Amino acid sequence: EDQVTQSPEALRLQEGESSSLNCSYTVSGLRGLFWYRQDPGKGPEFLFTLYSAGEEKEKERLKATLTKKESFLHITAPKPEDSATYLCAVRPGTYKYIFGTGTRLKVLA
Amino acid sequence: KAGVTQTPRYLIKTRGQQVTLSCSPISGHRSVSWYQQTPGQGLQFLFEYFSETQRNKGNFPGRFSGRQFSNSRSEMNVSTLELGDSALYLCASSLGSRGGSYNEQFFGPGTRLTVL
Repeated sequence: EDQVTQSPEALRLQEGESSSLNCSYTVSGLRGLFWYRQDPGKGPEFLFTLYSAGEEKEKERLKATLTKKESFLHITAPKPEDSATYLCAVRPGTYKYIFGTGTRLKVLA
Repeated sequence: KAGVTQTPRYLIKTRGQQVTLSCSPISGHRSVSWYQQTPGQGLQFLFEYFSETQRNKGNFPGRFSGRQFSNSRSEMNVSTLELGDSALYLCASSLGSRGGSYNEQFFGPGTRLTVL
């Protein structure tokens, strides 16, 4: 069965304290792994797509990496405005997306 | 370029009623997917439409249905509402065909449905 697991469920960081969020997946025929950021009461905002093991993408303080079993979202020197829920999703070889339950990140000033 | 729009943004209904939600995708996007988001279950896939055809469906009862029009706009309908249908309903659009960046989904702000 296709499955996505994100950890930790919640994370509190001090401003400037770097960390990583994990997304483990089990899918048949991965056709993309996606990271989103969601602020309360809003729709998810697209961040990255990764397609093959070894691929990396960066955007400001965020860097996403992919292996055959998991993806990491590294946050370098976070700021309070990085506080949000970060969602991971995979697209298996069917026309649907499977989302993890997310990591709630709180960055304290 | 305008993003994905959803109407209405908020809706209050009572049990047994039915509701129709609307989604207008990004111009040029032909795929529209619908999701239900609740605090306990996260984002659950409802269905995906591409060029007016439903390509996949999640594990939801038949009370949940949808359709897509020739201009790619989509509607979802929930009949005989239950208290458990209270959720944020999100629509996402993508280019939808082939692979690569065509699979990247962009979400609307959602419709917050409350069933009393």
